[in-house]
Amino acid sequence: AQSVTQLGSHVSVSEGALVLLRCNYSSSVPPYLFWYVQYPNQGLQLLLKYTTGATLVKGINGFEAEFKKSETSFHLTKPSAHMSDAAEYFCAVTAGTPLVFGKGTRLSVIA
Amino acid sequence: EPEVTQTPSHQVTQMGQEVILRCVPISNHLYFYWYRQILGQKVEFLVSFYNNEISEKSEIFDDQFSVERPDGSNFTLKIRSTKLEDSAMYFCASGLSSYNSPLHFGNGTRLTVT
Repeated sequence: AQSVTQLGSHVSVSEGALVLLRCNYSSSVPPYLFWYVQYPNQGLQLLLKYTTGATLVKGINGFEAEFKKSETSFHLTKPSAHMSDAAEYFCAVTAGTPLVFGKGTRLSVIA
Repeated sequence: EPEVTQTPSHQVTQMGQEVILRCVPISNHLYFYWYRQILGQKVEFLVSFYNNEISEKSEIFDDQFSVERPDGSNFTLKIRSTKLEDSAMYFCASGLSSYNSPLHFGNGTRLTVT
């Protein structure tokens, strides 16, 4: 079975600072990995995905994530935070099974 | 861009009542899902549906729950006799192909059981 651990339920950064949201996964077979973002009172929106191939994947809104098999990690980064990035971020994994989500990380951006 | 739509956005019901949550998936998608998110907790898988039948369900999806695709466009989740612990945000999602394809989520229905 797959599982996801997101370190830090709440991350706070200053506007313009680097954003780093951590995700570690567990999977007995090669996984597909996703990051979703949830703005208040909205559904989950896909930020980016890793399936196969290039381990550094770029998504929407300037976010990117790197798949590191040796570390079983898929951390999400953005070089410069914007106020509009404040939201809940979910890492998710699948390997031919229903998508499994982490508990989420709430990102706050301070002006 | 096509999107998944869910109605109602908020449903309040009394314990023991039946509720039906409705979803219109993206039209060319073949896989349909219900997830739920209890306040402050993680998003949990309930059920997946493909080719007019349940393909997988979680332990949460007990006999009180059922899903249906009655007319080829709507996808519904019925809770037969609601309990207080059913209070949650319920998300419908659809995917183009199998589990490995990205899911597109609706904005959710907030169910409050009193």
